[in-house]
Amino acid sequence: DAGVTQTPRHEVAEKGQTIILKCEPVSGHNDLFWYRQTKIQGLELLSYFRSKSLMEDGGAFKDRFKAEMLNSSFSTLKIQPTEPKDSAVYLCASTQGAGNTLYFGAGTRLSVL
Amino acid sequence: GDSVTQKQGQVTLSEDDFLFINCTYSTTTYPTLFWYVQYPGQGPQLLLKVTTANNKGISRGFEATYDKGTTSFHLQKASVQESDSAVYFCALVDTGNTGKLIFGLGTTLQVQP
Repeated sequence: DAGVTQTPRHEVAEKGQTIILKCEPVSGHNDLFWYRQTKIQGLELLSYFRSKSLMEDGGAFKDRFKAEMLNSSFSTLKIQPTEPKDSAVYLCASTQGAGNTLYFGAGTRLSVL
Repeated sequence: GDSVTQKQGQVTLSEDDFLFINCTYSTTTYPTLFWYVQYPGQGPQLLLKVTTANNKGISRGFEATYDKGTTSFHLQKASVQESDSAVYFCALVDTGNTGKLIFGLGTTLQVQP
């Protein structure tokens, strides 16, 4: 089975731009997560989907961050408008359910100038 | 709410040294506990997982024991190698029994040859 696929691997944006990050979860997994990773804050949850339904939309990230799951095999994370403080690694992960292994993609490194 | 604490931000060792990474957790239940490892340029991947049923996890020479009394889940390895250099995350399944994991901030291990 293929793992979690994230594209692009790197993204450079100007302040104020809109960017869309993409994720393909492991086939058959019901739960999908978006995390933001920084050295200071560690892994912060942005969004959580179960069977394509949005279960949690990380409070502090609601205003400019929007995750969608268009079908069971594809999800996007839109950041609009981008700000320099959004520079981080964005990780997508999927799992079959509670207590099971969470599989991560390699991440998208975003730099906002 | 649920939380995970890793006190050590960075650990530097020489090859064949003993490794100990501290992890404590706070929760109202007895959740499944995990250690994830992240190599440069990759997403985190499962290192080991422990439930209340088995109490101890062992993988690739690493081991961790679930200690309900001290609410700890420290990671140990008898003899580290340069290839063990990575970031190590302790995590637990959140109380809502979703697939969501709560992560510690991570401990960067650097092993010098």
